[in-house]
Amino acid sequence: AQSVAQPEDQVNVAEGNPLTVKCTYSVSGNPYLFWYVQYPNRGLQFLLKYITGDNLVKGSYGFEAEFNKSQTSFHLKKPSALVSDSALYFCAVRDINNFNKFYFGSGTKLNVKP
Amino acid sequence: EPEVTQTPSHQVTQMGQEVILRCVPISNHLYFYWYRQILGQKVEFLVSFYNNEISEKSEIFDDQFSVERPDGSNFTLKIRSTKLEDSAMYFCASSVNRDPLGYTFGSGTRLTVV
Repeated sequence: AQSVAQPEDQVNVAEGNPLTVKCTYSVSGNPYLFWYVQYPNRGLQFLLKYITGDNLVKGSYGFEAEFNKSQTSFHLKKPSALVSDSALYFCAVRDINNFNKFYFGSGTKLNVKP
Repeated sequence: EPEVTQTPSHQVTQMGQEVILRCVPISNHLYFYWYRQILGQKVEFLVSFYNNEISEKSEIFDDQFSVERPDGSNFTLKIRSTKLEDSAMYFCASSVNRDPLGYTFGSGTRLTVV
């Protein structure tokens, strides 16, 4: 069965510092991995995806994620955090048998302090 | 940018009552979905809908739940005889095709069953 795990409920970082939000996955076969962000009172917004190709994926708002097959990880990163990045971040994997379905992680709350 | 619209943003209902959560997908989208997020837990797939019928549903989506596209614009989730454990954030999503890269999520309806 496919699943993703986000080991941190919350990540705190100072503005201007680099940030990392962790995600590990468990799939049979090649993973299709995604990051979504949820701002307060807003829907889930797509940030970036990994399907194939370069292990470093660049996405919206200056975020990037690194796919690491040996560590089964897909950590979200940003070189310099902004206060406006404070939100809830979800890692997700697409069901390899059903393109319509995602499995989401439990979410990580990112707090960026001025 | 086109949005998926969900109403109401927050609904409180008494246990045992029926509720209908409403969604207006993006106009040219053909695939529709409901996900839910119990507070502090993962976002979970409920159901996908295409061509006026359910294409897939999860084990959560039992006889208590139903979906409908009553006209050309709305997509509704009905919960009959609500239970306390139905309290959650319910997200609607739509996509133009089966590719989940094209998912757009709504801002969610917070359902509180008392």
